[in-house]
Amino acid sequence: QKEVEQDPGPLSVPEGAIVSLNCTYSNSAFQYFMWYRQYSRKGPELLMYTYSSGNKEDGRFTAQVDKSSKYISLFIRDSQPSDSATYLCAMEKDYKLSFGAGTTVTVRA
Amino acid sequence: GAGVSQSPRYKVAKRGQDVALRCDPISGHVSLFWYQQALGQGPEFLTYFQNEAQLDKSGLPSDRFFAERPEGSVSTLKIQRTQQEDSAVYLCASSPRTGSEQFFGPGTRLTVL
Repeated sequence: QKEVEQDPGPLSVPEGAIVSLNCTYSNSAFQYFMWYRQYSRKGPELLMYTYSSGNKEDGRFTAQVDKSSKYISLFIRDSQPSDSATYLCAMEKDYKLSFGAGTTVTVRA
Repeated sequence: GAGVSQSPRYKVAKRGQDVALRCDPISGHVSLFWYQQALGQGPEFLTYFQNEAQLDKSGLPSDRFFAERPEGSVSTLKIQRTQQEDSAVYLCASSPRTGSEQFFGPGTRLTVL
């Protein structure tokens, strides 16, 4: 069993919808929690970086961490076609990142 | 400023050939990481450098994989006697210090025929 499990998708939503992405993890030693966006044939780009339970908001993006349930989520409000990409959750312990497999999101205009 | 750059962006190798993949981290970044991303999967950790010291190589799949960062900036990942299962995207990331966010390069897509 992998340390980080991510809802596989793919997801297809109409423009303006809320996108909800989820990951669970098994290693309680993870210290930092991240969401990366990866466009086709590009490297991952950091969207959100958190270390404590609770919500963190940045523009249209909200990251949620629940350490007691070992569960993290990313919400994208007012989704745009430019949000179409693969979203990767990642968790860090002692500098090493462990990634989920990614969820591919398509936002239809 | 410039981000992390990697070269070549694409590499095709015949099985058994040796390849060398280059990473230019962001200037001044102390930490450098290599990851391997198979098709449809998330990146998997390969190795970690702090300056020129390779502090962790636990993710390297076999002794055919070798990484170096001799002057604490540019790094090279070398794969000897490539096999088909080595086909993947190899990502390099750097960070200003241990425990801070990692910035990724565009990756090198390696195809072994």
